[in-house]
Amino acid sequence: AQSVTQLDSQVPVFEEAPVELRCNYSSSVSVYLFWYVQYPNQGLQLLLKYLSGSTLVKSINGFEAEFNKSQTSFHLRKPSVHISDTAEYFCAVNAYNTDKLIFGTGTRLQVFP
Amino acid sequence: KAGVTQTPRYLIKTRGQQVTLSCSPISGHRSVSWYQQTPGQGLQFLFEYFSETQRNKGNFPGRFSGRQFSNSRSEMNVSTLELGDSALYLCASRSLVDAIDSPLHFGNGTRLTVT
Repeated sequence: AQSVTQLDSQVPVFEEAPVELRCNYSSSVSVYLFWYVQYPNQGLQLLLKYLSGSTLVKSINGFEAEFNKSQTSFHLRKPSVHISDTAEYFCAVNAYNTDKLIFGTGTRLQVFP
Repeated sequence: KAGVTQTPRYLIKTRGQQVTLSCSPISGHRSVSWYQQTPGQGLQFLFEYFSETQRNKGNFPGRFSGRQFSNSRSEMNVSTLELGDSALYLCASRSLVDAIDSPLHFGNGTRLTVT
């Protein structure tokens, strides 16, 4: 079975500061990894994904995540956040041998002016 | 292209009642999944349907059930509601169940409050 751990339930940060949202997973088989974002009163949107190849993946709005197999991590980073990045971020894992997506409990990113 | 549509947006029910939630996937998407979202628990997988058949099921009691119609629209039913069923219920669709690089597209959810 797979599981995802997001240790930080909330991350407060000032605008233009860097941020890292942590995600660790557990799986006995290889996995695909995803980050989803949920803005207030909306559903989830795919932010970025790692399927294979380069371990560093990037989104169109400046976020990036790096797959680290040895540390079973897929942390999300942004060098300079905006107020509009305030949202809840979910890490998710999908094992190669299943089509079920397992989500972490989410990290609420609060950006202050 | 219209997104995933969930109705109703809000529901208030009393303990012991039953409720039906509806989800219309993106046109052409044949896979529909349901998730329960609560503070602190994150998203809990309920079930997934593909071509009117349930393919995967989470660890929820039998009070939670679903179905999918021939037009891919899906409904979720919760019977004998309990206070703990209060949550945001999210529906997601994708085009191909076995294409893992086909991402899930979520609706805005139905917020169920049980009093």
